Amino acid sequence: EAQVTQNPRYLITVTGKKLTVTCSQNMNHEYMSWYRQDPGLGLRQIYYSMNVEVTDKGDVPEGYKVSRKEKRNFPLILESPSPNQTSLYFCASSPDQSSYNEQFFGPGTRLTVL
Amino acid sequence: KQEVTQIPAALSVPEGENLVLNCSFTDSAIYNLQWFRQDPGKGLTSLLLIQSSQREQTSGRLNASLDKSSGRSTLYIAASQPGDSATYLCAVRPKMNRDDKIIFGKGTRLHILP
Repeated sequence: EAQVTQNPRYLITVTGKKLTVTCSQNMNHEYMSWYRQDPGLGLRQIYYSMNVEVTDKGDVPEGYKVSRKEKRNFPLILESPSPNQTSLYFCASSPDQSSYNEQFFGPGTRLTVL
Repeated sequence: KQEVTQIPAALSVPEGENLVLNCSFTDSAIYNLQWFRQDPGKGLTSLLLIQSSQREQTSGRLNASLDKSSGRSTLYIAASQPGDSATYLCAVRPKMNRDDKIIFGKGTRLHILP
């Protein structure tokens, strides 16, 4: 089944403890991105990647890192999480840079930072 | 800067009625518009994708229209059912973006009354 998977789905952690949220897609998509969703603010893009080894900042990149060593994986890294990073996170992918393609979203990761 | 607005923020409708959800965007220079469904605490499910050259798309009881010149899209749901209760998000892909980012509205929370 073609899909975008994220792990973990739920995570509660404490301030300053490094964590990684994984994202994987099995559709051979070139483009991948991360969004966070907050009440009243909607979905905002954190980072995106056009292809392997190519990443760039979105609208709200502060406090996050990403890497794209393989085409299928795009992990989101929080080196020192803070409470304001408590949010619902979504990974998305689309086939390539063509702007006519739809994006496919993962199931989300609900992160709570105490 | 592209902005996407969805009004109303919440809507309650008796089961069986037809309904329309609205989405407006400020810049008509878009590649496409996508409607998503999101169940509470869950991921985004793509419902319909309308390319900028298209006027409408249909899937089952759903019909989405696009009037690019006026910056409007509607999602029509026929014969609503309690299972249609969810938040509906629309998102546009602006032509001015150098990345593949899509801009989301904040959604309409739909409740179908049994």
